[in-house]
Amino acid sequence: QVQLQESGPGLVKPSESLSLTCSVSGGSISSNNYLWGWIRQPPGKGLEWIGNVHSSGSDHYNPSLMSRVTISADTSKNQFFLKLNSVTAADTAVYYCATGPLVAAGLLDSWGQGALITVSS
Amino acid sequence: DIQMTQSPSILSASGGDRVTITCRASQDINKWLAWYQQRPGKAPKLLIQKASNLQSGVPSRFSGTGSGTEFTLTISSLQPDDFATYYCQQYKSPPWTFGQGTKVEFK
Repeated sequence: QVQLQESGPGLVKPSESLSLTCSVSGGSISSNNYLWGWIRQPPGKGLEWIGNVHSSGSDHYNPSLMSRVTISADTSKNQFFLKLNSVTAADTAVYYCATGPLVAAGLLDSWGQGALITVSS
Repeated sequence: DIQMTQSPSILSASGGDRVTITCRASQDINKWLAWYQQRPGKAPKLLIQKASNLQSGVPSRFSGTGSGTEFTLTISSLQPDDFATYYCQQYKSPPWTFGQGTKVEFK
């Protein structure tokens, strides 16, 4: 069973960049059969899909964030990454990494435990 | 974007109750709908995919129905572990979008 674990700074200053890493075990992000993605949840609110990446390097983003976000992967480390630029307080959220089958793109069948990122000076 | 609307937002129930949550899509999503359960402080857990297919290990008291624009999640007999928030999600067309959530709380 694949396991995912987010890691990141916890606190980011406004206007700076947020960077998160998702470390994958029990499965390979080199697999052609899966997508690897990020979802966020502001405190007390619902879920928002940020984007995903495939081992081929193909990536897709939520248009609401596309101008500020990059998702990439390092197959040698079995990790994938999120970078969100020019953050504001509205980007404060729990950030989850997740995966799902390519044949059902968008379905998320394994999730990390989440990382709370607070944007504050 | 496809908008997903759940009702009710809060559902008060007792152990053993049968409960139903409704999810409506703003356009036809065929059966490309998932249901997730989220307990406080935890990540969402996939319960049902393609509207009615139960994930392995999910108790049979959970069931899903629907197609097109209207879907339901039913818990046949509410257990203590089921008091949580439930989200529907469409994966017909990106950006993948979620309902606002239904919190099932103890009456």
